[in-house]
Amino acid sequence: DAGVTQSPTHLIKTRGQQVTLRCSPKSGHDTVSWYQQALGQGPQFIFQYYEEEERQRGNFPDRFSGHQFPNYSSELNVNALLLGDSALYLCASRKDLGTEAFFGQGTRLTVV
Amino acid sequence: RKEVEQDPGPFNVPEGATVAFNCTYSNSASQSFFWYRQDCRKEPKLLMSVYSSGNEDGRFTAQLNRASQYISLLIRDSKLSDSATYLCVVNSLSGGYNKLIFGAGTRLAVHP
Repeated sequence: DAGVTQSPTHLIKTRGQQVTLRCSPKSGHDTVSWYQQALGQGPQFIFQYYEEEERQRGNFPDRFSGHQFPNYSSELNVNALLLGDSALYLCASRKDLGTEAFFGQGTRLTVV
Repeated sequence: RKEVEQDPGPFNVPEGATVAFNCTYSNSASQSFFWYRQDCRKEPKLLMSVYSSGNEDGRFTAQLNRASQYISLLIRDSKLSDSATYLCVVNSLSGGYNKLIFGAGTRLAVHP
């Protein structure tokens, strides 16, 4: 069992560009959530996908969008990147609501 | 007011010390609670779930007070390897779906 895998691990982008981050959930998990973690802060909830639909959304602008595929994998897209988008982006998967969430190692995004 | 609040620390303690972390949450509809541990530049990992009756796992004891909306984590006989950030996590119900909300984390540094 590979656990939750994210790609890429590191990324450098320029302001105004667009980025796509990818996540494969742990085997048997169907719910995927994305988090943004700035340095020295706790993870901030971006959104959650279940059955290929966005079910919950945190306080993030529309520049942040996502998708979940039939195999439960997910993408996070960020348009018009700002310097403030620089952070560790974490993907977490769960099997059932209320159970333990497993995290991927994250994608460290740097916007210059 | 943040949904989950923690004392950011840092807590600097000698090996063998007992240290306690506190956490409060604002959503009374929250259903389940966790403590996660995050090492520097790594992903969060589940330390333990928190049950109403309180639960213990070796040197770690977690308590939940639903009336006060308060969660605690006690670490006894601290080890150098306990140095990390401890994240209080609340599973909140909103719009029929659950999402995990993280506190900002409490940093612990255990020294010889």
